[in-house]
Amino acid sequence: QKEVEQNSGPLSVPEGAIASLNCTYSDRGSQSFFWYRQYSGKSPELIMSIYSNGDKEDGRFTAQLNKASQYVSLLIRDSQPSDSATYLCAVLVYGQNFVFGPGTRLSVLP
Amino acid sequence: KAGVTQTPRYLIKTRGQQVTLSCSPISGHRSVSWYQQTPGQGLQFLFEYFSETQRNKGNFPGRFSGRQFSNSRSEMNVSTLELGDSALYLCASSVTPPGGTNEKLFFGSGTQLSVL
Repeated sequence: QKEVEQNSGPLSVPEGAIASLNCTYSDRGSQSFFWYRQYSGKSPELIMSIYSNGDKEDGRFTAQLNKASQYVSLLIRDSQPSDSATYLCAVLVYGQNFVFGPGTRLSVLP
Repeated sequence: KAGVTQTPRYLIKTRGQQVTLSCSPISGHRSVSWYQQTPGQGLQFLFEYFSETQRNKGNFPGRFSGRQFSNSRSEMNVSTLELGDSALYLCASSVTPPGGTNEKLFFGSGTQLSVL
């Protein structure tokens, strides 16, 4: 059974700090990786996608992928209170459906 | 471009009733996936449709069913509702089936179903 694991949190960081969110997955056939942000009472919103090993940067967000270790992470630099949300890691094996992790709740303290 | 539209936004039903939820994907998106989200289980995959055909199905009982129309709109039906069916039901669309290269899912606002 395919599994995606995340620390449930809450992860608390002070405003301006770097928030580091981690995700591991069990299926070595996984080939596409995504980070979604979900505010309380709202639907998930795609913020990053990564397909190859290494880092991918988009503004204050950096996604890191290590397929050998089956590990993907999301770094949020200069964290803001508006970043407080649940972050969902999603993994896709081609030809199959997305598998989501349980999410990590991030709290950025002013 | 309009996003994924789900109706109704909220629904209250009693045990034993049935319910139908509706989803209109982003224009040009032909794949629709349905997910159930609960605090304890997170996002659980229900099923996915492409070109009116169910391509994948999650581990849910037969009480959960769906269909897709020729205009890509999709409906999900739950019969004989149980208390445990209370959840946020999310619909997501993508241009092609999720298994395609570089494909992304875009979610609707969801339908919050409460079963009393």
